[in-house]
Amino acid sequence: NAGVMQNPRHLVRRRGQEARLRCSPMKGHSHVYWYRQLPEEGLKFMVYLQKENIIDESGMPKERFSAEFPKEGPSILRIQQVVRGDSAAYFCASSPNRGQPQHFGDGTRLSIL
Amino acid sequence: DAKTTQPNSMESNEEEPVHLPCNHSTISGTDYIHWYRQLPSQGPEYVIHGLTSNVNNRMASLAIAEDRKSSTLILHRATLRDAAVYYCILRDPNFGNEKLTFGTGTRLTIIP
Repeated sequence: NAGVMQNPRHLVRRRGQEARLRCSPMKGHSHVYWYRQLPEEGLKFMVYLQKENIIDESGMPKERFSAEFPKEGPSILRIQQVVRGDSAAYFCASSPNRGQPQHFGDGTRLSIL
Repeated sequence: DAKTTQPNSMESNEEEPVHLPCNHSTISGTDYIHWYRQLPSQGPEYVIHGLTSNVNNRMASLAIAEDRKSSTLILHRATLRDAAVYYCILRDPNFGNEKLTFGTGTRLTIIP
């Protein structure tokens, strides 16, 4: 029973490039959450999606960041025109229903040169 | 969001019980108390949650004060693998707010 799978585990981008982070939720889970953890800080909520719908994006920066969770395939967090401040660990979590515990992947560590 | 307060760090000897406290004096009647932990270089891991009664599972026990203004996560016999940052989080499933609000947590060090 595979857990939440995130790839890549490490991603290096130069300033101005695009970063695409992928998250495959646990089997049977239709709710996906993205969090960001800056160095030496706690996790901050970014966005909550439920199959094809964005439910809560209150933690997403207004520009350059977008997320999707298509009917088929993984959830994607996309960061356009990356800047040094985007360097962080990005974690994805999934749950089978609202209110249930969230199961986290091991994150994608994004480094911006 | 109701706020939680935890000690920044704690130490415990291996194979001893560990009691991790959390204060949440502004908790609302419908807030559940959730605990997650984050091992080094990993994502957070769900540990346990409860509303009013004490809860037990294979990982830990959760003791909730009668007035619900505080709770304690109990690891019955700490191992080196329990070294992690432990987060106490309040969550109201009726509010429609699904996001977890992580504070700074308690960094638990296990002494061999």
